[in-house]
Amino acid sequence: GQNIDQPTEMTATEGAIVQINCTYQTSGFNGLFWYQQHAGEAPTFLSYNVLDGLEEKGRFSSFLSRSKGYSYLLLKELQMKDSASYLCAPYAGNNRKLIWGLGTSLGVNP
Amino acid sequence: ETGVTQTPRHLVMGMTNKKSLKCEQHLGHNAMYWYKQSAKKPLELMFVYNFKEQTENNSVPSRFSPECPNSSHLFLHLHTLQPEDSALYLCASSQEWTGENIQYFGAGTRLSVL
Repeated sequence: GQNIDQPTEMTATEGAIVQINCTYQTSGFNGLFWYQQHAGEAPTFLSYNVLDGLEEKGRFSSFLSRSKGYSYLLLKELQMKDSASYLCAPYAGNNRKLIWGLGTSLGVNP
Repeated sequence: ETGVTQTPRHLVMGMTNKKSLKCEQHLGHNAMYWYKQSAKKPLELMFVYNFKEQTENNSVPSRFSPECPNSSHLFLHLHTLQPEDSALYLCASSQEWTGENIQYFGAGTRLSVL
């Protein structure tokens, strides 16, 4: 079967660093996406990992371990506007579909 | 003009009404998608169109009828909906068969069925 596991909610303080973990089980694997979604808005693309290792993009970094079925999103220098849901979405299967979970709701406090 | 535009942003309809949701993408992509997002549920893929041809229909009830007249426009025709169809309907587009196939989303239509 296909399964994604992320914490439901996290809170952190402005200026801090937070790591959002994601474990997944899929039939076939082509890569993994992270999206950000503010309440009532569209998901927006953050990162895509195909190979093992860390990809850094400004304040956001994403890590992938294919053998462990594990990824994390690292957010540095947190800002209030980072309060949102973060969706881990493996790109899986022969039909190359995105598998969506419920995401992690991150609250940033002043 | 943003990459993927959806209209209307909000829609309230009765169960006997017929309405249509519209999506337009300005990114030159060849694939378009309809998703349903309900509270406390993951994004549900409804339909996929690739080069105007429907390539995916995820057991969606026939009261939802998609139409893709060209690779830039996608419609979702709604008729005799049920209250449980109330949700955020998201359109996305991507360039299929490239390495990343990043999906870009519109802002969505918030649908309420009374």
